[in-house]
Amino acid sequence: ETGVTQSPTHLIKTRGQQVTLRCSSQSGHNTVSWYQQALGQGPQFIFQYYREEENGRGNFPPRFSGLQFPNYSSELNVNALELDDSALYLCASSLLAQNTEAFFGQGTRLTVV
Amino acid sequence: AQSVTQLDSQVPVFEEAPVELRCNYSSSVSVYLFWYVQYPNQGLQLLLKYLSGSTLVKGINGFEAEFNKSQTSFHLRKPSVHISDTAEYFCAVRTTGGSYIPTFGRGTSLIVHP
Repeated sequence: ETGVTQSPTHLIKTRGQQVTLRCSSQSGHNTVSWYQQALGQGPQFIFQYYREEENGRGNFPPRFSGLQFPNYSSELNVNALELDDSALYLCASSLLAQNTEAFFGQGTRLTVV
Repeated sequence: AQSVTQLDSQVPVFEEAPVELRCNYSSSVSVYLFWYVQYPNQGLQLLLKYLSGSTLVKGINGFEAEFNKSQTSFHLRKPSVHISDTAEYFCAVRTTGGSYIPTFGRGTSLIVHP
């Protein structure tokens, strides 16, 4: 049991809509990272938050945005959904940004139709 | 920038046989290396990691990996696989300093047959 929980587990949205995915970090972890895993691919880094501030960003457009709350839970927001946004979205938490071990949630499967 | 190549997209083996999953990386600076396992409809679980020191790293579930700097490889091995090892395996690399962003390979599907 990693302690990282994501909600919802599955979601279907229509192209052009907006979506919010949620992540509850493992207790005591102040760093959270989000990844997009398309079918048959490895996870791609979206961004990382450390103590409520964005601490690094991958090659994703601005319509992908995030938040981290004082209790270190986090949200991933995606605006103007496109069909290619269909993927498994993974959240991972770690004690510190530089730590080499991150604990992953089970992911949210987003389908855009 | 760093990159990871997992040479086999799928590796079928019989139960109790040995297996090797291959991973090669490219980086202009020193790196940390990781192997993760992903079971169906699950997130990623860390199997093992190489940070420094001994090049042979032992992980969970009987897996081990060897870091070879000259060949820029970090292959994963298990001497005897079980049906329960059927899963997707990802190799990942991260620089030792600067950005903490890891780069993942595309994954290798290990299929263990009875």
